[in-house]
Amino acid sequence: GAVVSQHPSWVICKSGTSVKIECRSLDFQATTMFWYRQFPKQSLMLMATSNEGSKATYEQGVEKDKFLINHASLTLSTLTVTSAHPEDSSFYICSAKGRPGLRPETQYFGPGTRLLVL
Amino acid sequence: DAKTTQPTSMDCAEGRAANLPCNHSTISGNEYVYWYRQIHSQGPQYIIHGLKNNETNEMASLIITEDRKSSTLILPHATLRDTAVYYCIVGRNTGGFKTIFGAGTRLFVKA
Repeated sequence: GAVVSQHPSWVICKSGTSVKIECRSLDFQATTMFWYRQFPKQSLMLMATSNEGSKATYEQGVEKDKFLINHASLTLSTLTVTSAHPEDSSFYICSAKGRPGLRPETQYFGPGTRLLVL
Repeated sequence: DAKTTQPTSMDCAEGRAANLPCNHSTISGNEYVYWYRQIHSQGPQYIIHGLKNNETNEMASLIITEDRKSSTLILPHATLRDTAVYYCIVGRNTGGFKTIFGAGTRLFVKA
């Protein structure tokens, strides 16, 4: 099946610093990538949708200036949490989907990145 | 996109079949039924999807009712490693389709 990786798998940072998380589709070209956030004991919350070569579309309530998303190639999207604060501590998960009509037809998820802001 | 309703939690004995129901009464004709699961502290894992015919793969079977208003995910021989939260999601199979997660069903497989 399709493989999506994330790096790093976990990160601890000081309040006020920025953190970049990478999401890669390893064996397919992903025209669309998605970023989710998950707090303990809650379901995944979609943050934004990113299409290769264009600006990301953010869900309501998600600050685009705080969560910078770049999807510069068909296999890589990055999420940068700028000026991170303790309330940004969460489990960040990306997913990737290929071109309609081609495999994969569904979204495949990365293993997640656990962020702890002190 | 259509919404889904799933039981909050279910138990299953190890080695027995786990049948997880999902209601999607407002599903439209071009919307698929997708199932994912999330094992604790991991990213969601794709299981199976279907449009109207029943589907089977190496992980599970998906049974969709004739009116498509509900479906059942079947894990034929549940193991302890199948303990997870299972999500039923309905949506179009297009590039813009966003997978929106509900609360899912927490399946406990017991020895």
